[in-house]
Amino acid sequence: DAGVIQSPRHEVTEMGQEVTLRCKPISGHDYLFWYRQTMMRGLELLIYFNNNVPIDDSGMPEDRFSAKMPNASFSTLKIQPSEPRDSAVYFCASKLGGTQPQHFGDGTRLSIL
Amino acid sequence: SQQGEEDPQALSIQEGENATMNCSYKTSINNLQWYRQNSGRGLVHLILIRSNEREKHSGRLRVTLDTSKKSSSLLITASRAADTASYFCATGSSGGYQKVTFGTGTKLQVIP
Repeated sequence: DAGVIQSPRHEVTEMGQEVTLRCKPISGHDYLFWYRQTMMRGLELLIYFNNNVPIDDSGMPEDRFSAKMPNASFSTLKIQPSEPRDSAVYFCASKLGGTQPQHFGDGTRLSIL
Repeated sequence: SQQGEEDPQALSIQEGENATMNCSYKTSINNLQWYRQNSGRGLVHLILIRSNEREKHSGRLRVTLDTSKKSSSLLITASRAADTASYFCATGSSGGYQKVTFGTGTKLQVIP
């Protein structure tokens, strides 16, 4: 089975532009997570969904960030407007319920100039 | 904020040696997991230990958990160059296994 698929793998854009990151979870997984990884702050949970419903968005840094999961096979993380401090690697992960582990995509490396 | 702090931050060993990484955390947990991250890749789950377990093995991996000291260790025996990666502990709090908090990571280099 294919793993978690994220696109794009790299994104370079200018400050103020809208950025959309995409994630396709593993088929059948009912939990989806968005993380941000930086050298300074490590790996931070931004938001997670269960059965397409946002459960905990307490990690979303501010109103410029939004995440949606319109169906079980697709999720987006949007930043509008983007700022240089948003530069990071953004990971999506999915899992089954219970004690099953999270499966991570290979991330999107985002650079805001 | 991170729940877990790994120690050491970086570790360099020769192939064939054992590598030990430690994780300390602050609040009560119901499980602790270890993940590996190769450079430029996503995290890969290695092993989960529940709060009522003290030790667990998986292949060359041995994990211990001491809830009284709020600490865990990951031992990789007979290390290989392919074990070069960053290793993270992740703690799950009481109430569920879904949301975990990742530690700061240990960067392991295994020299051939």
